[in-house]
Amino acid sequence: DTGVSQNPRHKITKRGQNVTFRCDPISEHNRLYWYRQTLGQGPEFLTYFQNEAQLEKSRLLSDRFSAERPKGSFSTLEIQRTEQGDSAMYLCASSPRGQGAFEQFFGPGTRLTVL
Amino acid sequence: QKEVEQDPGPLSVPEGAIVSLNCTYSNSAFQYFMWYRQYSRKGPELLMYTYSSGNKEDGRFTAQVDKSSKYISLFIRDSQPSDSATYLCAQSSTGGFKTIFGAGTRLFVKA
Repeated sequence: DTGVSQNPRHKITKRGQNVTFRCDPISEHNRLYWYRQTLGQGPEFLTYFQNEAQLEKSRLLSDRFSAERPKGSFSTLEIQRTEQGDSAMYLCASSPRGQGAFEQFFGPGTRLTVL
Repeated sequence: QKEVEQDPGPLSVPEGAIVSLNCTYSNSAFQYFMWYRQYSRKGPELLMYTYSSGNKEDGRFTAQVDKSSKYISLFIRDSQPSDSATYLCAQSSTGGFKTIFGAGTRLFVKA
């Protein structure tokens, strides 16, 4: 399978705990995006990497959220001191360089439930 | 006001019907317009895109952009039960690094 993969697929945690999600993009894609999606809403942009550089962050990404993409390969999204409002689907997407940059390929998502 | 507005539905049609899905947008700077399809508990998948204005056809699907009215449409001909999904319209910057999604319209095609 050469698509975008995300792990874990589901995560249940208690309020106040830290969680970390991983995304493995399509190997030749240099761009990587994180989105959050809640029920009945479209994906909301969180952050964007080009190679290892984090070039854009949404104001939605509070100081409890941090994302990394070491060596421009996989990426991790960490949420510290989780709150019930963090419960959502966290989607990762990747896109190639050049003219196809806007064509984002999404992973299956990580569903987070904060109790 | 959201940058991309979309009627959430649900929209229920019989098999074989022509489906019309619509969005309005407010940001004229973004030139790429996309339609994504999202099945339940899956990530979105790109269905079609258009650059600037005009029509684009791909099999049973036609995407249309009317920049004068800031209106984006997706038409599905001969709809099938397998088309039952949530359809998300989106705008993207030319560089592709910022994409704004609508809330999605849930479509049910009844056999």
